[in-house]
Parts: sequence; structure tokens; C-alpha cells
Amino acid sequence: IVMTQSPLSLPVTPGEPASISCVSNQSLLHSDGYNYLDWYLQKPGQSPHLLIFLASNRASGVPDRFSGSGSGTDFTLKISRVEAEDAGVYYCMQSLQAPLTFGGGTKVEIK
Amino acid sequence: QVQLQESGPGLVKPSQTLALTCTVSGGSISSGSHYWSWIRQPAGKGLEWIGRIYTSGSTKYNPSLKSRVTVSLDTSKNQFSLKLSSMTATDTAVYYCARGDGIPGYNSGWYYFASWGQGTLVTVSS
Repeated sequence: IVMTQSPLSLPVTPGEPASISCVSNQSLLHSDGYNYLDWYLQKPGQSPHLLIFLASNRASGVPDRFSGSGSGTDFTLKISRVEAEDAGVYYCMQSLQAPLTFGGGTKVEIK
Repeated sequence: QVQLQESGPGLVKPSQTLALTCTVSGGSISSGSHYWSWIRQPAGKGLEWIGRIYTSGSTKYNPSLKSRVTVSLDTSKNQFSLKLSSMTATDTAVYYCARGDGIPGYNSGWYYFASWGQGTLVTVSS
């Protein structure tokens, strides 16, 4: 499954919203009703960590300014009000079937 | 809290086999239901899933690497390992080990990468 993210780079002013798109070339909707799409953030010099799982569920400890939506092949990660600590590269990943595949990443830069 | 640490050579010659080890601390590698995984990231590029081994010992690999990859568990040392043969320059990357976990109430076959090692840079060069 091929995952395509846009934009590649996203400069954002603190306090402003941000939105990242992720499109898959086949549906990620599982028979259990969940979309097997997860979002990870990789901060500079760190390993990635989970933000959103199964398209719309915030991981433990993730601020509520992060939200995920979408179904089937089109998904969106939104940050309602960007903070300086949100800088990094955001990856979507399909967890429906092996091989697990990631999008190319979106680099969020704080202006 | 479980911690993972990769170890292995930082430099490998073309055609050689890479052998990396991930040492797990803070929990037993043979208990629970976890997917012990390897992921790599070429410099400045995105993430590529290499493969995983389940607690039971069953494995799955990325078909793009399948003929060259072996992931195994060593429960006596609380480690799991990656072997990647016939290395070329395109295999140069930061290699991460990670633990895949499920979440109660969701499909037991689904997992996310809950814990990661810090990553180790492997360069392929003569």
C-alpha cells in the first residue's frame, strides 16, 4: 500500500492551525470498522512517537489540539493551534497489512 | 518502562551481512504479546518497515527485502536481532528497533510502535 502525504513542508505561525493530508492507494478500512491509519511525529534528533491511532484516536498523553480524521483512502491530521514544541516531521502509516508502509513525511516548521 | 537499545557495526562493506542486536530492558521479551520490529530511515528520508517477530516467534518481512532479511529472538539474553545480507550502499540508513503493542479493546492483530530504540547509523562502504 502506497501512502502519499502533502504538503512536504509546512511553515506555521504559533497559534495558527495546521493540516496535513495523507492518501492511500487502497482503502484502509478494516472489517472491524476501524481505519488502520496511524500518525507519528519525529522530533529533531528523536525516534518517532505515536500521536493518533486508527485514524482518529489520540494516543495517551497527546494534547487535544491534535486530531485525526478521514476514512477509506483520505486522512487528515489537524493541529488546532500550533505550538513551538510541535516542530518535526509527521508521518502517516498504514497498519492494515504487511508490509507496513509510511508516508514520505511532512516537515512542520515554526515561523 | 521498557527501553530498547540497538547495537552493531556502524560500517559494513558491500556484499557483507549486517547483524544488529536490540537489547530490551525493563521487561521480558518472551512475555506478553508484542511485535518486535525493525525499521530503517535513510538520511533525510522517510521510514521503511523491515520486518518483525512476534512473541511466539512468527515472523513477517517486507517483500522488498524478504530474501535478505532474518529477524530472530534470543530470550536468554532478552534480545532480538536483525540480519540483512548482501548489503549495498542503498542499505545505508539509521536502523531502529521498536516494540509493537496492541491496545485492549482493539483488534489483537493491530499494533502500533510504542517503544523505540534511539537508532543506530549503519553505513555501507568499502
